[in-house]
Amino acid sequence: EVQLLESGGGLVQPGGSLRLSCAVSGFTLSTSAMSWVRQTPGKGLEWVSVTMGGGGSTYYADSVEGRFTISRDNSQNMVYLQMTSLRAEDTAIYYCAKDTISGVVVVGYEYWGQGTRVTVSS
Amino acid sequence: EVVLTQSPATLSLSPGESATLSCRASQTVANYLAWYQQKPGQAPRLLIYDASTRATGIPARFSGSGSGTDFTLTISSLEPEDFAVYYCQESSYWPRITFGPGTKVDSK
Repeated sequence: EVQLLESGGGLVQPGGSLRLSCAVSGFTLSTSAMSWVRQTPGKGLEWVSVTMGGGGSTYYADSVEGRFTISRDNSQNMVYLQMTSLRAEDTAIYYCAKDTISGVVVVGYEYWGQGTRVTVSS
Repeated sequence: EVVLTQSPATLSLSPGESATLSCRASQTVANYLAWYQQKPGQAPRLLIYDASTRATGIPARFSGSGSGTDFTLTISSLEPEDFAVYYCQESSYWPRITFGPGTKVDSK
């Protein structure tokens, strides 16, 4: 059974940092693309970042480029999101999700964690 | 960047009725369109991908259609557990995946 479990959310001041973790099980992380997706009442669902399987590339939304860093530890079955220079607009529920592939194309996310809430406020 | 527009914003229906939800893309996304269901306090649940393929375990009352810029999610006969928010999502410009703003299906 595929399981994703996020942790690390909380309250942080503007300009601060936070590291989110996602523990995965039930599949081979090393060959899987993994994403972070966030959700706010105002902006809805927003893709944040993806780390490719096989030691491949990472990509970021323009809104977090240069401030957030996605990484993984395949040996520990963990995916991380290091967030720095946090802003009020980063306040959201952050979900870890496994990219679903049809053929050779990513088509969406069949597996999601339960989410971890990040609040950026003074 | 592809912008997805969903209509209507809210759909008020009774159990047993059919629901038709629309998603329009600002530019063509071929058939790289997915639909999700989300209930309060839960993560989104993938229903449909490739515009018309049901995800694992999704009941046959959910169906998707369309290509290019116009897509439809149909729920043939609403069950009580189907009242939720539905989002479309495109992946044609992966990794920059975008989501629509959602349609809320609530009970009349």
